[in-house]
Amino acid sequence: QITLKESDPTLVKPTQTLTLTCTFSGFSLSTSGVAVGWIRQPPGEALEWLAIIYWNDDKYYRPSLKSRLTITKDTSKNQVVLTMTDMDPVDTARYYCAQRRGDLWFDPWGQGTLVTVSS
Amino acid sequence: EIVLTQSPATLSLSPGERATLSCRASQSISINLAWYQQKPGQAPRLLISDTSNRATGIPARFSGSGSGTDFTLTISGLEPEDFAVYYCQQRSYWPLTFGGGTKVEIK
Repeated sequence: QITLKESDPTLVKPTQTLTLTCTFSGFSLSTSGVAVGWIRQPPGEALEWLAIIYWNDDKYYRPSLKSRLTITKDTSKNQVVLTMTDMDPVDTARYYCAQRRGDLWFDPWGQGTLVTVSS
Repeated sequence: EIVLTQSPATLSLSPGERATLSCRASQSISINLAWYQQKPGQAPRLLISDTSNRATGIPARFSGSGSGTDFTLTISGLEPEDFAVYYCQQRSYWPLTFGGGTKVEIK
């Protein structure tokens, strides 16, 4: 069974850096073809893809956020880490990690974690 | 960036009725489109990939069609558990993008 779980909810202040961890089980990020992505969803709004990391360490970012995002993996710990710098209240959202399915679909997803940006 | 426009924003139907959801892409994306279902307080769930391939465990009442810029998700007879928000997603071009969602609510 494949499961993913994001780190606990967090409150960050504007301009601070956010660090999120996705811990997964049921697959390995050292296996060819495997990838994990991050997607966020502001309250009451639509989904927004942020980044994805592949088994071979290839990474892709949302261009509008690329300067603020870093995605890394720790294969030994079955974790993917997303950092986002210079947080702003508009970054308040539920952040999900998900396994890539097929070409570039996402399934399954973690339960998500709420990130609140407020002073 | 590919913009996906979903319509209608809200669809009010009764159980047993047929639901037809639309997703229009700002340029051709071939058949590189997926549909997700999201219920309140839950993460999205993949329903259909590559326009028409149902994901594992998805009932046959869910079907997808289309190509190029116009896509449709059809739910042939709404069950109580189908009332939710549905999102489309494209994978033809970076960045990956999602539509704004269609809420299917009980009439």
